[in-house]
Parts: sequence; structure tokens; C-alpha cells
Amino acid sequence: AQSVAQPEDQVNVAEGNPLTVKCTYSVSGNPYLFWYVQYPNRGLQFLLKYITGDNLVKGSYGFEAEFNKSQTSFHLKKPSALVSDSALYFCAVRDSRRGATLGRLYFGRGTQLTVWP
Amino acid sequence: NAGVTQTPKFRVLKTGQSMTLLCAQDMNHEYMYWYRQDPGMGLRLIHYSVGEGTTAKGEVPDGYNVSRLKKQNFLLGLESAAPSQTSVYFCASSELDVYNEQFFGPGTRLTVL
Repeated sequence: AQSVAQPEDQVNVAEGNPLTVKCTYSVSGNPYLFWYVQYPNRGLQFLLKYITGDNLVKGSYGFEAEFNKSQTSFHLKKPSALVSDSALYFCAVRDSRRGATLGRLYFGRGTQLTVWP
Repeated sequence: NAGVTQTPKFRVLKTGQSMTLLCAQDMNHEYMYWYRQDPGMGLRLIHYSVGEGTTAKGEVPDGYNVSRLKKQNFLLGLESAAPSQTSVYFCASSELDVYNEQFFGPGTRLTVL
């Protein structure tokens, strides 16, 4: 079965400090992993994805994520947080096997990131 | 490109009423999805479609029906609304290959009294 865990409901960080939003996953085949961000009263926006290759993936707005197969993790990181990064962040996983789940994404419950000035 | 659009943006229903949510995408995507978002629950898949004329059940399909008569449109119907269906509904679409990201609409906030 596919599932995603985001162990922290809330992450608070001061502007200028590095931030990490944690994600662990469970999938039967090889994973395709995604991060999305949701600003208040908006839909989800794609940030980055891991499909294959380099374990460090760079995405929009200076975010990056590191795929760790042995720990089944895909943590989102940013070296220097901005107040404007405050939002709800979702990790999602999909099974890479073509016939599996027909492209369905499984989402975590979300982590609310607050960056204070 | 407008991307993924949803109508209406807000709606209040009484228990037992019916309504249809419309999702439209102009990116020629094959796959389309309906999710609901509830506090602390993340996004849960209601129904999805892998092409015109096809639909399939997701994680929480009960109480909903869908249709995909045209490739660009995906309709979500509530035949007899219940308070438990109070939620924010998101439509998404993606290209055929499973490694492609999904593009989301702005959402519909539905309240059932």
C-alpha cells in the first residue's frame, strides 16, 4: 500500500534560518515523489519532484529536497527561509510501476510552515 | 492558458439538495482527478479519469458521481448532499505519463447545512 507521513503538523522558523519539512513514504515499487505548496484560499502549486537520478532535487522558490531510499524519506529544505514561504506544504508519492494505481497520488496530511520576521 | 478552472468557487447547500461541480482544463491532459480537502486529513481522492469517457473510484467515492463526456471537462455530482460532504473540493489534471505532476484548480468551498 502507498502512504505518506508528514510527522510535523507545524514547523516554525525565523526568517533567514534554514528550514526542513519532513516526509517519509511507503510504496510497493520505486517511488515518484512530489512536494506541493498551498497558500491560503488557493489550490496546490507544484514545487519539485524526484523521479530518478540525483538524490538532491532543486525546485521553485529556492526549495530543494533530498531523496533517501534507505530511510524512505524525501525532506523539503531551504537554506534561508522567507516570511513569504509561510504556507501549507504537502508531500505526495506515486508508485512508478506503470500499471499501478493509474497515476494516483497519495498525499500526506500537510505541514503548516510559519516563518516569522 | 487558464490552466485548471473550477466553478462555482463557493456554494451552500441544504441537506438532501443536489449539485454539480465543474472542472475544466485547457492543457489537453488525459488524466483528471477530484479531491476533497478536510482539516488535518490532507487531500483524499474521490474519483478520477484516465481519459474521455472513463471514470474510476478513488479513496472516498461514496455519495459522489462523476462524468467525463469531454476530454477537457470533469464533473463531480452530489445527488443528495450530507453535512459530511462539507469540504473544499479540488480538481486536478495531468499528462499521460505517471511521472508528470498534477495541476490543481483553485478549489470549491462547499458547505452543507
